[in-house]
Amino acid sequence: DTAVSQTPKYLVTQMGNDKSIKCEQNLGHDTMYWYKQDSKKFLKIMFSYNNKELIINETVPNRFSPKSPDKAHLNLHINSLELGDSAVYFCASSPWGNTEAFFGQGTRLTVV
Amino acid sequence: GENVEQHPSTLSVQEGDSAVIKCTYSDSASNYFPWYKQELGKRPQLIIDIRSNVGEKKDQRIAVTLNKTAKHFSLHITETQPEDSAVYFCAASWNDYKLSFGAGTTVTVRA
Repeated sequence: DTAVSQTPKYLVTQMGNDKSIKCEQNLGHDTMYWYKQDSKKFLKIMFSYNNKELIINETVPNRFSPKSPDKAHLNLHINSLELGDSAVYFCASSPWGNTEAFFGQGTRLTVV
Repeated sequence: GENVEQHPSTLSVQEGDSAVIKCTYSDSASNYFPWYKQELGKRPQLIIDIRSNVGEKKDQRIAVTLNKTAKHFSLHITETQPEDSAVYFCAASWNDYKLSFGAGTTVTVRA
């Protein structure tokens, strides 16, 4: 019955590799997000999608490419991983016209 | 864009005492102000929210107040318990697509 689920939960990879994180929500929400939480716990929005359309791209390097095949899924692909990409990445969703965000359990990405 | 500042960054309270966290925001168009609680290793979860047409909202031991003129809002936790220990985030939004978060407050409740 998980509302927002993302996989994998942990991801350890070497610099320069390409990796993907998947996110799915079964809440019927129209809007989905990716947030990055750094080591100081700061939560920063990266992308926002509404009904599969990109709404917000918060000056994220173009090595990060989100893809929304349908409104229940928002995946994040990262090319040429760098040490500074190490963080916890949270997927979230919210209903249309309501900004309460429901978060996934997070993906802890470690780049070595 | 919206800028949200949150204070203090850490807060230690004795069990049973009250805890207060304060946030200020920059965009006067912001109209939605949620508070999230994040326990260690877990996801952020909404605990209470307030909209700009309301000055105060209460839910059991937690309450939020909003001063639109001064552009600040606060979270109050009364009769704190050990399970209240967590990181608390305030946020502000002026549209339906983006929440701007404060930097977080680590609350520790001492038994």
